[in-house]
Amino acid sequence: QKEVEQNSGPLSVPEGAIASLNCTYSDRGSQSFFWYRQYSGKSPELIMFIYSNGDKEDGRFTAQLNKASQYVSLLIRDSQPSDSATYLCAVISRETSGSRLTFGEGTQLTVNP
Amino acid sequence: DARVTQTPRHKVTEMGQEVTMRCQPILGHNTVFWYRQTMMQGLELLAYFRNRAPLDDSGMPKDRFSAEMPDATLATLKIQPSEPRDSAVYFCASGLVPLDRNQETQYFGPGTRLLVL
Repeated sequence: QKEVEQNSGPLSVPEGAIASLNCTYSDRGSQSFFWYRQYSGKSPELIMFIYSNGDKEDGRFTAQLNKASQYVSLLIRDSQPSDSATYLCAVISRETSGSRLTFGEGTQLTVNP
Repeated sequence: DARVTQTPRHKVTEMGQEVTMRCQPILGHNTVFWYRQTMMQGLELLAYFRNRAPLDDSGMPKDRFSAEMPDATLATLKIQPSEPRDSAVYFCASGLVPLDRNQETQYFGPGTRLLVL
């Protein structure tokens, strides 16, 4: 089992729709969870991080964390073509790995005009 | 506008040559990470430093790779000798470990795209 798993995608949504990106993790001791956006040929850009169960909202982005289910998601409301990118989920498990970020393989999102 | 800088941005070299990549972390950040990204393996951590001390280099092939932090403003990753399988994008990231560890984040540089022929 991979440490961090994401829907492989690609995910395609129409402009204005809600895009839902999902991520599960295997280490129950994981503490912090991150979503990075990576445009083709560019570096990962931090969008949001979350460490408490529940929802965290920032503009059109909402991160959701459920530690009991070992599940974290990212919702993008009112999706725009500029949101088309690969979204990377990452986790930190400080007890076992210190500050190491473990990444999923990413989900490619396409928002169609 | 604080950001991580990396040089060179692109490097093409021949097998067997030494490659040195440099990173300048965000001023004030005390943790520096080296990641490698390939299509097959995704993003994987090679090594990281805190306050210039190496904390974890378990992801780095020891026989050919070395990472150092000569000072707080410079981190280097060297490959000697380079091999075609080292072709990848190498990212440096930096972060600051706050009192509330839950607030710890990492910011990536633009990367060095390496091609070993």
